[in-house]
Amino acid sequence: AQKITQTQPGMFVQEKEAVTLDCTYDTSDQSYGLFWYKQPSSGEMIFLIYQGSYDEQNATEGRYSLNFQKARKSANLVISASQLGDSAMYFCAMREPWYGQNFVFGPGTRLSVLP
Amino acid sequence: DGGITQSPKYLFRKEGQNVTLSCEQNLNHDAMYWYRQDPGQGLRLIYYSQIVNDFQKGDIAEGYSVSREKKESFPLTVTSAQKNPTAFYLCASSIESSGSQETQYFGPGTRLLVL
Repeated sequence: AQKITQTQPGMFVQEKEAVTLDCTYDTSDQSYGLFWYKQPSSGEMIFLIYQGSYDEQNATEGRYSLNFQKARKSANLVISASQLGDSAMYFCAMREPWYGQNFVFGPGTRLSVLP
Repeated sequence: DGGITQSPKYLFRKEGQNVTLSCEQNLNHDAMYWYRQDPGQGLRLIYYSQIVNDFQKGDIAEGYSVSREKKESFPLTVTSAQKNPTAFYLCASSIESSGSQETQYFGPGTRLLVL
């Protein structure tokens, strides 16, 4: 079974508007971490934001925020004021301590920002 | 500057040939990882190592081998047994901890093509 689901293969957003990228996850562990990465066309994976399962506040990093709904097991990434440079693949990932400290990645969402 | 380097950026493999991808980090991280990414897909774990002289198979280890003789280095060999090696290979490292809050940091990747 998929541990990380990203249901939007591709998304379009107008420049300067906000966009939400969906991520749902599956775990029976109480302690886990959720991460979002950006992969531009160059290929390098860039860490954006982290949310711990015990964190009560939603994580924010500049224009990135994470809408964390633990009961629904969702960790959606919100990008505010989209810029042309935000066009990239976005991956949601989870890290579970019991799973050998390994990361599990979702299939990704390709975001295209329109001028 | 601290970071992860991968070389070469592009690598060509002939039929029946073994090739080795280099990964070096100066972040003093204990854990290192190798991922394979096929076009339009997410990341799949090949091998990981949590400590020097120890490594574990990931989800798609067949046709690959690794070594971890030094903390800084985690080379990946693509053997002739890997029948479809054309892909983008990403190396990553992270702090090894009992929790799940530490992110991975990625190298720039190596693109492997079969001649």
